[in-house]
Amino acid sequence: DAGITQSPRHKVTETGTPVTLRCHQTENHRYMYWYRQDPGHGLRLIHYSYGVKDTDKGEVSDGYSVSRSKTEDFLLTLESATSSQTSVYFCAAGLAGEYEQYFGPGTRLTVT
Amino acid sequence: RKEVEQDPGPFNVPEGATVAFNCTYSNSASQSFFWYRQDCRKEPKLLMSVYSSGNEDGRFTAQLNRASQYISLLIRDSKLSDSATYLCVVSHSGGYQKVTFGTGTKLQVIP
Repeated sequence: DAGITQSPRHKVTETGTPVTLRCHQTENHRYMYWYRQDPGHGLRLIHYSYGVKDTDKGEVSDGYSVSRSKTEDFLLTLESATSSQTSVYFCAAGLAGEYEQYFGPGTRLTVT
Repeated sequence: RKEVEQDPGPFNVPEGATVAFNCTYSNSASQSFFWYRQDCRKEPKLLMSVYSSGNEDGRFTAQLNRASQYISLLIRDSKLSDSATYLCVVSHSGGYQKVTFGTGTKLQVIP
């Protein structure tokens, strides 16, 4: 157990509302990641962080922002949720890309 | 062409069978390779890393062919508990060591 938790685990929200997903880790990993997983696309990187206050975009970052104010917490915000953002969101943490990533249990987000 | 390609399956095999999955990658600068396992509605978990010399962990064997840019996973003596989706993961230097996940190959082991 790599100590990655996500909250909430399930959320239904309406189009146009802001949504924040939280990821918390207890292993002091430097790198943290947010992915979304959709049928036919696999896991796609939204944003990642390589340290406190150090973040960068992944391949599908439009409509999302992140913040990392502490090593253990990485927040993902959907600024104005759209139906295309209905997905399963996974947070992960690890030492660096060439090493294992430990995943949280996922958040199922539905935007109606 | 996708950076990492896998046959989505499903592969339906009887218990005790041997099954092999292949994964191709397009970036010749790729440096690290992994197989992850993902159970239905669960998070991915590392199954094994893949080394140039090949590696084995019990019933599982992983191979890397850099010349042809593919990795493989062989599962011997399949168990019902092996039923899952197997994700091929490739990492290459891209500032943060870019990691790309394949879409996964679904395995169903049948009694």
